[in-house]
Amino acid sequence: DVQLVESGGALVQPGRSLRLSCTASGFTFGDYAMNWVRQAPGKGLEWVGFIRSKGYGGTTEYAASVKDRFTISRDDSKSIAYLQMNTLKTEDTAVYYCSRMAVAGMRVDYWGQGSLVTVSS
Amino acid sequence: QTVVTQEPSLTVSPGGTVTLTCASSTGAVTSSYYPNWFQQKPGQAPRALIYSTSNKHSWTPARFSGSLLGGKAALTLSGVQPEDEAEYYCLLYYGGAHWVFGGGTKLTVL
Repeated sequence: DVQLVESGGALVQPGRSLRLSCTASGFTFGDYAMNWVRQAPGKGLEWVGFIRSKGYGGTTEYAASVKDRFTISRDDSKSIAYLQMNTLKTEDTAVYYCSRMAVAGMRVDYWGQGSLVTVSS
Repeated sequence: QTVVTQEPSLTVSPGGTVTLTCASSTGAVTSSYYPNWFQQKPGQAPRALIYSTSNKHSWTPARFSGSLLGGKAALTLSGVQPEDEAEYYCLLYYGGAHWVFGGGTKLTVL
């Protein structure tokens, strides 16, 4: 079975950094792009960014709200995608989800259960 | 800034049919936007329903269907069940791997 498990969420002060992990199992991780999506408390979903598979260059794209502060990377040998978040702001408080995407058909299918990041002093 | 607009809320009776739409501030939504649809229930992660306009995942119930309707992406539920009460989100692709979610539609089954 395909599984995505996020970890690393925590309470962190504004201006600090945090790294989330998304550990995948049940599929060939290296064949898929990985998305990060967040949801602030009581709000809708917001696309954060994504990393292509190595077969498509392994490059990344980001939403304007996080560009230059957040970095997505991947370790295909460990089947893990990472979201490095720097210079955190209170408005980054959210549940962060990773999801799998197949470029063919731009199919977003499996999601993790989410990891809560709270940015507060 | 690109805005994707959905109905904030809709109400449908059990067994009825309802259509949710997804509009883009940039103009008509076409298949090139690869619309995806997701269902989210309180306290749960989103669950994928539809990709690339009208394609269903293996777990998507037959009563859910996706289409393009009047320049918008659309999700139609036919024969609505009580368990379909949830928030529904569309996701559109704007090229360069940039995606934008709609604001969500809260569907009430009453």
